[in-house]
Amino acid sequence: QQPVQSPQAVILREGEDAVINCSSSKALYSVHWYRQKHGEAPVFLMILLKGGEQKGHEKISASFNEKKQQSSLYLTASQLSYSGTYFCGTESGTYKYIFGTGTRLKVLA
Amino acid sequence: DGGITQSPKYLFRKEGQNVTLSCEQNLNHDAMYWYRQDPGQGLRLIYYSQIVNDFQKGDIAEGYSVSREKKESFPLTVTSAQKNPTAFYLCASSTGTYSYNEQFFGPGTRLTVL
Repeated sequence: QQPVQSPQAVILREGEDAVINCSSSKALYSVHWYRQKHGEAPVFLMILLKGGEQKGHEKISASFNEKKQQSSLYLTASQLSYSGTYFCGTESGTYKYIFGTGTRLKVLA
Repeated sequence: DGGITQSPKYLFRKEGQNVTLSCEQNLNHDAMYWYRQDPGQGLRLIYYSQIVNDFQKGDIAEGYSVSREKKESFPLTVTSAQKNPTAFYLCASSTGTYSYNEQFFGPGTRLTVL
């Protein structure tokens, strides 16, 4: 089942923070985060494998809750270059890989 | 430089015609994938292959076919049976199909049916 992301879209001013959530009705094996610029291929940001894990750096980081049913991506002090669509992805079992519903992020000057 | 190439970048097709999209990788990855993306939508899995000479249907395989005769290549054929083929097609590869394997994407092919 496809993970659900929220919000669907968000508009920020430069320097503002944002949180993007990825939720599943059942525990995930892992969660991957990607960013896609319009008309381009998605680019890998990070992967989280363990419940309770937090990863990333000061500007872009992510967490994976203990039950492994929710992950959040944190964008701090956003820059214009952060604009794009963010996807979470996961291996759904039987080696199939599925992506979340996507969150469109627009950063304004 | 290692990476994934897709060709062509833009493709136009008349209704009723089959068309093949190319995907080549020199990353020595075992697993390869094809996704379809419609405007404003997420990525949906068409086919995937864990190893040469083997491939599996994804969630929307109807109207598509693939082959995996070489490790480097995973072409996708969009057949006339695909009712609404206009979309952005992305090919990806990974070292394996396990949960810890990140995916590397090609630049995509935008297919338009006239």
